[in-house]
Amino acid sequence: NAGVMQNPRHLVRRRGQEARLRCSPMKGHSHVYWYRQLPEEGLKFMVYLQKENIIDESGMPKERFSAEFPKEGPSILRIQQVVRGDSAAYFCASSPNSWGGGTLHFGNGTRLTVT
Amino acid sequence: DAKTTQPNSMESNEEEPVHLPCNHSTISGTDYIHWYRQLPSQGPEYVIHGLTSNVNNRMASLAIAEDRKSSTLILHRATLRDAAVYYCILRDVGETSGSRLTFGEGTQLTVNP
Repeated sequence: NAGVMQNPRHLVRRRGQEARLRCSPMKGHSHVYWYRQLPEEGLKFMVYLQKENIIDESGMPKERFSAEFPKEGPSILRIQQVVRGDSAAYFCASSPNSWGGGTLHFGNGTRLTVT
Repeated sequence: DAKTTQPNSMESNEEEPVHLPCNHSTISGTDYIHWYRQLPSQGPEYVIHGLTSNVNNRMASLAIAEDRKSSTLILHRATLRDAAVYYCILRDVGETSGSRLTFGEGTQLTVNP
């Protein structure tokens, strides 16, 4: 059973370009979470999605960032007009439900570098 | 989200037990105690979780105080591969409020050969 798959593993973008990060959850998981980890900092929650719905986007920057989890295909985190401060590791996690006693399964992240 | 407090760092020797403490004095009755760890250059990895009773699995044991205001993650025999940042996290059992894990600073565990 494959784990959470994130691609690309490394992404380099110039300032002003768009970055698209993909996350395929574990089989049977319909809940996806995105986290960001800035260099030398902790993991910060960004957004929580279920299939076709954004449930909690309280951690998402208001501009340039968007996320989706379509009925078919992976979840996408999209960053428009990237800036140097967007350079970070972006982690995706999935779970079969949102029950507090359940566990999240994380991917190994996409490391975004903005030059 | 209820807050947890952990030491910034701890050291252990290989093959010895490690006890990683966590204080969560404001825990609510519906909060589960979760432990995750993050190895260098990897995503967080689930370790163990519990509600009231002590828990054991193949990776570790979780000892929960009777008043639930603190807990201890126990690695029975540390290996070099256990060197990681360990996070103690409270997660509410509620359907929507349990949607996220809120990571703190965690404890950086160093294992000496």
